[in-house]
Amino acid sequence: QSALTQPPSASGSPGQSVTISCTGTSSDIGGYNYVSWYQQYPGKAPKLMIFEVSKRPSGVPDRFSGSKSGNTASLTVSGLQAEDEADYYCSSYAGSNNVIFGGGTKLTVL
Amino acid sequence: EVQLVESGGGLVQPGGSLRLSCAASGFTFSSYSMNWVRQAPGKGLEWVSNIGSSSRTIYYADSVKGRFSISRDNAKNSLYLQMNSLRAEDTAVYYCARILGSTNWYFGYWGQGTLVTVSA
Repeated sequence: QSALTQPPSASGSPGQSVTISCTGTSSDIGGYNYVSWYQQYPGKAPKLMIFEVSKRPSGVPDRFSGSKSGNTASLTVSGLQAEDEADYYCSSYAGSNNVIFGGGTKLTVL
Repeated sequence: EVQLVESGGGLVQPGGSLRLSCAASGFTFSSYSMNWVRQAPGKGLEWVSNIGSSSRTIYYADSVKGRFSISRDNAKNSLYLQMNSLRAEDTAVYYCARILGSTNWYFGYWGQGTLVTVSA
């Protein structure tokens, strides 16, 4: 299975909203509601931000939201804050007991 | 508090072997599926392997199938990854990751990672 496709970079000013896309196929994103998003700071472990397309784990601010349309999933960060500057990875179940990730998007807060 | 601590990484020659360990605490280890996820330097994340709570189910990414072996010891609250026939492309930080709840396909808790370098 190929990796999911994410833009390499995204940016926004404090207070603005930014949306990061994640494109797959009908065999992964389009076929299952097991899309998740992870935030990763340099040198640190990833942190789960969104699971099952749009659910937030306990402790994740509601500024983070997820959605899916067809074969494309999206992560929206509203009310951007400096601390949101990080790498973001999408992930999806891809059938046959396999999970795939996107290549990652570096979010810059201007 | 859930804690996952990996160990066992290091420098190994191509074709060599290495065994990674992950010590778990802060939760009932025997109740959760566990995973290994890796990240090559400067690259994205790659899921490696999953093992069910009682070891009855085991899954691997195609890239490591036949070379890597995942196992667990619930009495010792420990997860392992035996890596054989290592290649340069296996160079990565290897993370131990616990599922969030009952679904295998997203990872709610991560260790700090251990670096494996495959080089002559």
